[in-house]
Amino acid sequence: DTAVSQTPKYLVTQMGNDKSIKCEQNLGHDTMYWYKQDSKKFLKIMFSYNNKELIINETVPNRFSPKSPDKAHLNLHINSLELGDSAVYFCASSQDGTSGGAGDTQYFGPGTRLTVL
Amino acid sequence: QKEVEQDPGPLSVPEGAIVSLNCTYSNSAFQYFMWYRQYSRKGPELLMYTYSSGNKEDGRFTAQVDKSSKYISLFIRDSQPSDSATYLCAMSVVFGNEKLTFGTGTRLTIIP
Repeated sequence: DTAVSQTPKYLVTQMGNDKSIKCEQNLGHDTMYWYKQDSKKFLKIMFSYNNKELIINETVPNRFSPKSPDKAHLNLHINSLELGDSAVYFCASSQDGTSGGAGDTQYFGPGTRLTVL
Repeated sequence: QKEVEQDPGPLSVPEGAIVSLNCTYSNSAFQYFMWYRQYSRKGPELLMYTYSSGNKEDGRFTAQVDKSSKYISLFIRDSQPSDSATYLCAMSVVFGNEKLTFGTGTRLTIIP
């Protein structure tokens, strides 16, 4: 059983296009996250949602818009894609996410490798 | 300067060796310290975590935190080829902040 799943696994698209990445977790967790991992493996948080409410919104261009239709799903929509958006995007989830720290272990999905040409 | 610094490697050691991986950080508010392992083309998975200073052991893995030096370590004893992966340290502040701040990761290869 896949705990955190993402679709698609690979996404190749042209500059200027709009694309979405979907994430689903079947762990019953309340909090979900989006991270971006660049070519040097640096993993940086973008957003987190707790029970469909936006909790963390790091300094991310407003071309990126997360959407949480329910607490098991957190999708990421990207408008007007740029070359610098090429990266691996990871979705993660944790049980609560508000008590802080490692008590809320984050479980990561397999990642979506986005390539913008 | 990044909040969390980690030598990206790559690091290659022979099978059976003891591996030492390290991170330094600048934010004294960090209270929880984690090590994630990431295999190629996979998502990170939590290996170990510690709260505040001290040591924690789990099988062949030992995590150490020295908050006075803002320095954390992960030791792997009797390293195996299956330990070959990228190891990322991560840290967070205790309450009301679930944001993890990651190091850049160290790529480790265990040579059979």
